[in-house]
Amino acid sequence: GAGVSQTPSNKVTEKGKYVELRCDPISGHTALYWYRQSLGQGPEFLIYFQGTGAADDSGLPNDRFFAVRPEGSVSTLKIQRTERGDSAVYLCASSLGGREDTQYFGPGTRLTVL
Amino acid sequence: GENVEQHPSTLSVQEGDSAVIKCTYSDSASNYFPWYKQELGKRPQLIIDIRSNVGEKKDQRIAVTLNKTAKHFSLHITETQPEDSAVYFCAASILSGGSYIPTFGRGTSLIVHP
Repeated sequence: GAGVSQTPSNKVTEKGKYVELRCDPISGHTALYWYRQSLGQGPEFLIYFQGTGAADDSGLPNDRFFAVRPEGSVSTLKIQRTERGDSAVYLCASSLGGREDTQYFGPGTRLTVL
Repeated sequence: GENVEQHPSTLSVQEGDSAVIKCTYSDSASNYFPWYKQELGKRPQLIIDIRSNVGEKKDQRIAVTLNKTAKHFSLHITETQPEDSAVYFCAASILSGGSYIPTFGRGTSLIVHP
């Protein structure tokens, strides 16, 4: 079946602009995760949704970052007033939900802030 | 919060040799330890995981060991092949909001020379 998909694959924006990154999880997966991966680093946890609600948003770096999942499926990560330091690959993952389930990653969105 | 150290950062081996990657973690509450393989430009993929009630797990050429007392865990790859070349990430996961949230190491770039 289809895996996790993310759009766009690449996004170039200017400092100060607003961006939205989209994630389509695997059908039926109730848990959805957002990560940020900088060059030469491991993925860094941002936020986790169980259904429509954010169960853990402790990884969001500041209030410029926000994510929603209004219908419990597609999720959007929103970044306001982008800064050059926000440049990274933003990864989304989904799982069936619960403690025992493997997280399946999407291909990521490469965000470049000029 | 959790801190994961991963060594070495780069590992170069000849085809057929074994490769060992080591990780340490700081938070004794971590009790799920997945390992991911990420090929260049691709998404991370889970290759093996271990839970805190198990000391060792093996899957064909791959094995993981866990020492909870010392807070370290290792990945062992035997009979390496060129297609094993990739970046490998360890993670230590803490249960939060009903799911395991991973903290990743910085990655090990494994190069297998034919």
